[in-house]
Amino acid sequence: DVKVTQSSRYLVKRTGEKVFLECVQDMDHENMFWYRQDPGLGLRLIYFSYDVKMKEKGDIPEGYSVSREKKERFSLILESASTNQTSMYLCASRRGELFFGEGSRLTVL
Amino acid sequence: QKEVEQNSGPLSVPEGAIASLNCTYSDRGSQSFFWYRQYSGKSPELIMFIYSNGDKEDGRFTAQLNKASQYVSLLIRDSQPSDSATYLCAVSSDSSYKLIFGSGTRLLVRP
Repeated sequence: DVKVTQSSRYLVKRTGEKVFLECVQDMDHENMFWYRQDPGLGLRLIYFSYDVKMKEKGDIPEGYSVSREKKERFSLILESASTNQTSMYLCASRRGELFFGEGSRLTVL
Repeated sequence: QKEVEQNSGPLSVPEGAIASLNCTYSDRGSQSFFWYRQYSGKSPELIMFIYSNGDKEDGRFTAQLNKASQYVSLLIRDSQPSDSATYLCAVSSDSSYKLIFGSGTRLLVRP
């Protein structure tokens, strides 16, 4: 079975802090994604990566950056967290269908 | 802007009934179609995928695709209270790595 592991299930951070969300997949997938999910807005794509060191902006990249130094690892970075980044963050990897991690619920105070 | 649209619901059905969930999409280049189920507080999990026009059955679930009319549906037969969840439709074109998700339909199965 494909396993996508997100490093933190719940985080509480303060405005202005730098936040790292890490994601690891164990199935050698080229494509990895970061989404955020908010009530009424559904799943929105932040960034995706189709290869090591390759990345593309999704629909809502502002305020975020990503890093993919190794094929299995895709990190989402909030350089200076703001309250409007309070959300559920979902990492996923894909070959064919999309497999999701368990999610990281971030609260920014 | 490519869109995938779903009725937000809630769709309420009695236990044992057939639940019908619908999804329309705007990009005629879409080639792959997916249904995910998401329980409250959990991440989405894949139920079915379909690539060709027609029906695809897997247990109590049937996915239906009509590319000419640009809709895809999910039928759940013999609905159970454990089927109560939000169902997400997603589409992808062969030229894109991305899946575009609808906002989901909330299904409630009444005992």
